[in-house]
Amino acid sequence: EPEVTQTPSHQVTQMGQEVILRCVPISNHLYFYWYRQILGQKVEFLVSFYNNEISEKSEIFDDQFSVERPDGSNFTLKIRSTKLEDSAMYFCASSDRDITPEAFFGQGTRLTVV
Amino acid sequence: DQQVKQNSPSLSVQEGRISILNCDYTNSMFDYFLWYKKYPAEGPTFLISISSIKDKNEDGRFTVFLNKSAKHLSLHIVPSQPGDSAVYFCAASARNNNDMRFGAGTRLTVKP
Repeated sequence: EPEVTQTPSHQVTQMGQEVILRCVPISNHLYFYWYRQILGQKVEFLVSFYNNEISEKSEIFDDQFSVERPDGSNFTLKIRSTKLEDSAMYFCASSDRDITPEAFFGQGTRLTVV
Repeated sequence: DQQVKQNSPSLSVQEGRISILNCDYTNSMFDYFLWYKKYPAEGPTFLISISSIKDKNEDGRFTVFLNKSAKHLSLHIVPSQPGDSAVYFCAASARNNNDMRFGAGTRLTVKP
């Protein structure tokens, strides 16, 4: 069964460093998303991406964040200068929204900023 | 951002009984609703969904009910099984945008 894969599964970084979280969405999906979940809190929408551009973003997704689809398979989330409060599970998701709106999630990357 | 609310952080049910998880939303533009199940250290797994043109969708042991006038939906699991123990998230999206908003989740515990 096709699945969304994320790497790495766990990333530890020092405050102020840049991190790139990687995702390979399901191959025939056209809509891509990043969500995060701070420990013990709700799953929060960060950004959606369609047709090589951001289609929606939340108030969390400030100038420190950027997304990119550098090739036909990868979808990345970059955090330019990490802060302690960026520590969370980051989930990538994809969907073929034109057919079914369900988004399928990866296993997540646990980001720990120290 | 409280567009999707799950007011019960936890629910405990005996195996074999019905589990009812509730969700309320405030944005009348939402037209598609989903339930996800999440185990620790895993991503949310899609469970069942419903379009706003329906009021009920059933898939095996899982049924989702939608009450548009009350802006309320619920997930019924019957009979509940210990393997159903997880955190359940309600989510909603609108046709004219590409985000999906989640509730805070309800931790379901099914006791043998």
